Amino acid sequence: GNSVTQMEGPVTLSEEAFLTINCTYTATGYPSLFWYVQYPGEGLQLLLKATKADDKGSNKGFEATYRKETTSFHLEKGSVQVSDSAVYFCALDTNAGKSTFGDGTTLTVKP
Amino acid sequence: NAGVMQNPRHLVRRRGQEARLRCSPMKGHSHVYWYRQLPEEGLKFMVYLQKENIIDESGMPKERFSAEFPKEGPSILRIQQVVRGDSAAYFCASSPTGTGLDIEQFFGPGTRLTVL
Repeated sequence: GNSVTQMEGPVTLSEEAFLTINCTYTATGYPSLFWYVQYPGEGLQLLLKATKADDKGSNKGFEATYRKETTSFHLEKGSVQVSDSAVYFCALDTNAGKSTFGDGTTLTVKP
Repeated sequence: NAGVMQNPRHLVRRRGQEARLRCSPMKGHSHVYWYRQLPEEGLKFMVYLQKENIIDESGMPKERFSAEFPKEGPSILRIQQVVRGDSAAYFCASSPTGTGLDIEQFFGPGTRLTVL
């Protein structure tokens, strides 16, 4: 079956620090990969996605590259802000109409 | 274009009561997905529906849970005889189609169910 493993949190960083949140996956077929962000009390928002190997998704300074050889999709940002504090979810979709999510990583950015 | 709407946002029920959660997909979207998020956990797929059809219910508990997406009106997730373990956030997502690697699911704000 499909599964997503995320780096355990919580992660606490100072403003302007470099962020990496690791994500690895197991899937049958060739999945699309996603990162979602969830702010307190809200639903999930799509942050970025990649649909094939070596694709790089990027948005709002966040990036992630689809690495088929290592089955990974690590999220990175060069300089985090306080407003980036949220829960981040890695997910995959194998074209079956449902997504498989990781357990989420809570990021707290301190001024 | 309004996003995915869910109501109520918060629902409190006593053990043994019924809970009905509603989801109105984005305009033009005919595919709906329900997910459950337990505290401190990720989202777990429950069911995938198209208008008047259940496409995949592999994540639904075998008893007490049911879902529908009628031709007219919102999708409904129904939980009968709720128990404390049903307390969770229930999220609905919608997409314009259900196939293709580039399909994005748009999520609603969720319904937080508390069972006393």
